[in-house]
Amino acid sequence: DGGITQSPKYLFRKEGQNVTLSCEQNLNHDAMYWYRQDPGQGLRLIYYSQIVNDFQKGDIAEGYSVSREKKESFPLTVTSAQKNPTAFYLCASRRGGETQYFGPGTRLLVL
Amino acid sequence: AQSVTQLDSHVSVSEGTPVLLRCNYSSSYSPSLFWYVQHPNKGLQLLLKYTSAATLVKGINGFEAEFKKSETSFHLTKPSAHMSDAAEYFCVVSDKSSGGGGADGLTFGKGTHLIIQP
Repeated sequence: DGGITQSPKYLFRKEGQNVTLSCEQNLNHDAMYWYRQDPGQGLRLIYYSQIVNDFQKGDIAEGYSVSREKKESFPLTVTSAQKNPTAFYLCASRRGGETQYFGPGTRLLVL
Repeated sequence: AQSVTQLDSHVSVSEGTPVLLRCNYSSSYSPSLFWYVQHPNKGLQLLLKYTSAATLVKGINGFEAEFKKSETSFHLTKPSAHMSDAAEYFCVVSDKSSGGGGADGLTFGKGTHLIIQP
């Protein structure tokens, strides 16, 4: 059953803590993306990766970091430098010139 | 630079009546246009896309959209609303020339919340 999985569904972060959101895809897609969604804001691009071991900053990369060690995986770390991390985080992937496909999302909340 | 404007933040219709969600875009070149739907606490699902073929695009669940270059619009319609259509809808424009090859040049609208009255 092919698709994109994100875990956990809900994540709680304490002040000053780094947390990592998981994104895995078994679609054999080359490109992967992380977006942040806030109410009434649409989606904003955090980071993207076109190929393994390479990634680029999106529009709102400050306070976030990523890695792309495997084609299937693109984890996002929300660092303590991100002062307003509460949001819904969406991962997406794409093959070639085709459409982006999205995972189910992770909601991050600050304690 | 490209942009997309969803003209209504909320739309409310009665079940069985037509749905119209409005989207206007600006783009320097011939864009690709998409509509996605998002149910609460879920990811985005592609409804339909326009990529310079037929201007009337049919999507899933009875939705369709018409690309009108002269009006720079890509409105989403459905003849008869169903309760299961209640969700957030996003219009998205892709102009590779402005975004470079890397990030697909995707720009998302801020969304329209569709409410279906019984």
